[in-house]
Amino acid sequence: AQSVSQHNHHVILSEAASLELGCNYSYGGTVNLFWYVQYPGQHLQLLLKYFSGDPLVKGIKGFEAEFIKSKFSFNLRKPSVQWSDTAEYFCAASGTYKYIFGTGTRLKVLA
Amino acid sequence: GAVVSQHPSRVICKSGTSVKIECRSLDFQATTMFWYRQFPKQSLMLMATSNEGSKATYEQGVEKDKFLINHASLTLSTLTVTSAHPEDSSFYICSSRGAGDTQYFGPGTRLTVL
Repeated sequence: AQSVSQHNHHVILSEAASLELGCNYSYGGTVNLFWYVQYPGQHLQLLLKYFSGDPLVKGIKGFEAEFIKSKFSFNLRKPSVQWSDTAEYFCAASGTYKYIFGTGTRLKVLA
Repeated sequence: GAVVSQHPSRVICKSGTSVKIECRSLDFQATTMFWYRQFPKQSLMLMATSNEGSKATYEQGVEKDKFLINHASLTLSTLTVTSAHPEDSSFYICSSRGAGDTQYFGPGTRLTVL
């Protein structure tokens, strides 16, 4: 069955710390991978996506994610977080089957 | 990115009444729109896929007679919660499927059923 797993449900970091949020997927056939972000009081928006090509994808606001096919992973990273990165982050997969979202990771960045 | 609007943003209704939520794709034509439900501190739960000009496809466990979806045009999909009950209180989010399989989300509608 298709699934997306996010291992970290809550993450608290200090400003300038490095961030890595885990995402693993189980999805048959061709898969497209996404990270969406939901800032407090705002709607979900696309952070970055991977379809094919370079497995290291760069998104907005300094975020990047690496697709590792052998590990079925698509982890999100940022070298130095800011207070404004406080939000909920969702990993998602799509392709042959329907869109599937992970359960989300709440990131809180302390100023 | 594409803009998707939802109306209303908040609605409070009495138990037993019906509530209609509109989802509009403002700057592109969306043949496919999605309706999600989000519980507090949980992920998005896909309720149904709305296809313009045809019947919606509902996910397992979602009552199609209770959650009526109409996608009459390429820019508008509506979700009607019929005979609402307190357990239907939730945050409902729609999205449009755009180019590159990206979803563009609306701001959501907070439904409270008294």
